[in-house]
Amino acid sequence: QVQLQESGPGLVKPSATLSLTCTVSGGSVSSGSYYWSWIRQPPGKGLEWIGYVYSRGTTNYNPSLKSRLTISVDTSKNQFSLNLRSVTAADTAVYFCARATYGSSWYNLWGQGTLVTVSS
Amino acid sequence: DIQMTQSPSTLSASVGDRVTTTCRASQSSSSWLAWYQQKPGKAPKLLIYKASSLESGVPSRFSGNGSGTEFTLTISSLQPDDFATYYCQQYSSYPWTFGQGTKVEI
Repeated sequence: QVQLQESGPGLVKPSATLSLTCTVSGGSVSSGSYYWSWIRQPPGKGLEWIGYVYSRGTTNYNPSLKSRLTISVDTSKNQFSLNLRSVTAADTAVYFCARATYGSSWYNLWGQGTLVTVSS
Repeated sequence: DIQMTQSPSTLSASVGDRVTTTCRASQSSSSWLAWYQQKPGKAPKLLIYKASSLESGVPSRFSGNGSGTEFTLTISSLQPDDFATYYCQQYSSYPWTFGQGTKVEI
């Protein structure tokens, strides 16, 4: 059974880079056709789609974050990652990694989420 | 971007009630819509995809309907485990977007 687990710092300083990793267990990040995705949720608010890296390496980002965002996959570690540059307090959120299947695009597999706070 | 608007924001109901929440899209998303349930401190859980298809393992009291710009999620007989927040998500066009949620409370 495939599982996803987020990891990374829980506190990031303003203007720094937020870096998170999602480790895939029970399956391979390079097998099949999946959208390996990031979604975030500010405290007490709704969900925001951040973007994905497709199994073959192509990416698709939310235009509202695109200029600051990189999502990549590391097949040797069976992980995919999020890097968000120049963060502000508005980037404080629970960050979820999730998986959708190519051609399906709904998220039936999620990590548990990790809270990242942007503060000095 | 396609804006997704859910109503009501909060819904008060009792065990056994039939409840319906609505999701409206700012432009047509055909049937490319999913519904999720989220409980506090947890990740969302997929309930419905393609507007009306029930995800495996989800109780049959959940149902989805609609196409184009108006969609509904119905719980036929509310159970104690169903008190949660429900989100719709369109995946018709990028960026994929979610509604702001409907909280179902006692």
